[in-house]
Amino acid sequence: GAVVSQHPSRVICKSGTSVKIECRSLDFQATTMFWYRQFPKQSLMLMATSNEGSKATYEQGVEKDKFLINHASLTLSTLTVTSAHPEDSSFYICSATTLNYGYTFGSGTRLTVV
Amino acid sequence: QQQVKQSPQSLIVQKGGIPIINCAYENTAFDYFPWYQQFPGKGPALLIAIRPDVSEKKEGRFTISFNKSAKQFSLHIMDSQPGDSATYFCAASLSGTGANNLFFGTGTRLTVIP
Repeated sequence: GAVVSQHPSRVICKSGTSVKIECRSLDFQATTMFWYRQFPKQSLMLMATSNEGSKATYEQGVEKDKFLINHASLTLSTLTVTSAHPEDSSFYICSATTLNYGYTFGSGTRLTVV
Repeated sequence: QQQVKQSPQSLIVQKGGIPIINCAYENTAFDYFPWYQQFPGKGPALLIAIRPDVSEKKEGRFTISFNKSAKQFSLHIMDSQPGDSATYFCAASLSGTGANNLFFGTGTRLTVIP
């Protein structure tokens, strides 16, 4: 089956610093990767869609300069939260997709900005 | 505009009971309807999915009922167990190939009492 590895699972950073979250498809090549943000007891909110080798498409209201997405290969996408602030604290989840396996989600990253 | 509406928000059942979670969608072009299970601090995991050419699908203790004319679908969990206590999300997308975004419902927090 399809496996998506997301790292780190938890990260605490100081306000003003940047944090990078990796999302890897381990046993398949992902045509598209999605990044979501989830607040406590709420649903997943799509932040951006990325395809390998092209710029990410951001949802309305998501700052592309703050949430940098790089999709350098068919198995790796990264989300960098730049100049993080306490309001960026959240649970971030990636999803890698392929025609054969559909949507597979990573295990999520709990970001806490102090 | 909420593309997928989900109810109830929370649900408590006794062990062995059959919790039912309902979802309704707006876009008649949707043709892939998955259900996800999410435990605290983890990413969503696919439980079962259905396409609109069938009215029911069963996988183990999980059953999806689909009503295309009413634009509604539901998840039934047979013989529910305390280990089923989690948050369940319905979703919908175009084609299900992974090229298009998943629209999530708001989630249902299920508690199964021993």
